[in-house]
Amino acid sequence: DSGVTQTPKHLITATGQRVTLRCSPRSGDLSVYWYQQSLDQGLQFLIQYYNGEERAKGNILERFSAQQFPDLHSELNLSSLELGDSALYFCASSSPRTGPSTGELFFGEGSRLTVL
Amino acid sequence: DQQVKQNSPSLSVQEGRISILNCDYTNSMFDYFLWYKKYPAEGPTFLISISSIKDKNEDGRFTVFLNKSAKHLSLHIVPSQPGDSAVYFCAARAGGTSYGKLTFGQGTILTVHP
Repeated sequence: DSGVTQTPKHLITATGQRVTLRCSPRSGDLSVYWYQQSLDQGLQFLIQYYNGEERAKGNILERFSAQQFPDLHSELNLSSLELGDSALYFCASSSPRTGPSTGELFFGEGSRLTVL
Repeated sequence: DQQVKQNSPSLSVQEGRISILNCDYTNSMFDYFLWYKKYPAEGPTFLISISSIKDKNEDGRFTVFLNKSAKHLSLHIVPSQPGDSAVYFCAARAGGTSYGKLTFGQGTILTVHP
């Protein structure tokens, strides 16, 4: 158990719909990262938040948005869903003490999104 | 554009032998490299990392080698154990970027037979 909690674990929806994925980082971790893993692909970095502010951005689609709340949990919003958005979405957090030296991220179990 | 490549989708090894997982990269700006392991229905877990100023880093049964001139790194597991059976991802980070902004390879499925 990494200590990072993601909900829901599975989600099935239709094209054109909107969904929200939720992530709670490990206690004490200020950074939250979102990654997307499509079928047979490596994980792709989407976005990072640090203590409520956007810190880094990857190739995140304009239809996707994220935020981090004062209690440090984060939500990833996916709208106007397309078939190609079907993927595993991982959230990760990092320790402010060890992260900068090791680069270690702690990943949640992921949210599997299926768009029909 | 695949900047981090793991060209072997799978690897099968006998228990007790050495497992060697390979990774190639193309981006010269990468200066930090990591290996993650992933079991089914779980998130990736960190294994070992190496900075570009080193060519080797060791942690117990796991050793990572970096060849900067060839833009190649490898993970050696000695001795391999059945519990090592998992998907292994190589990841890289560019200098000057957020330390959590990683570029991952596609993964290699390692199977260790008893």
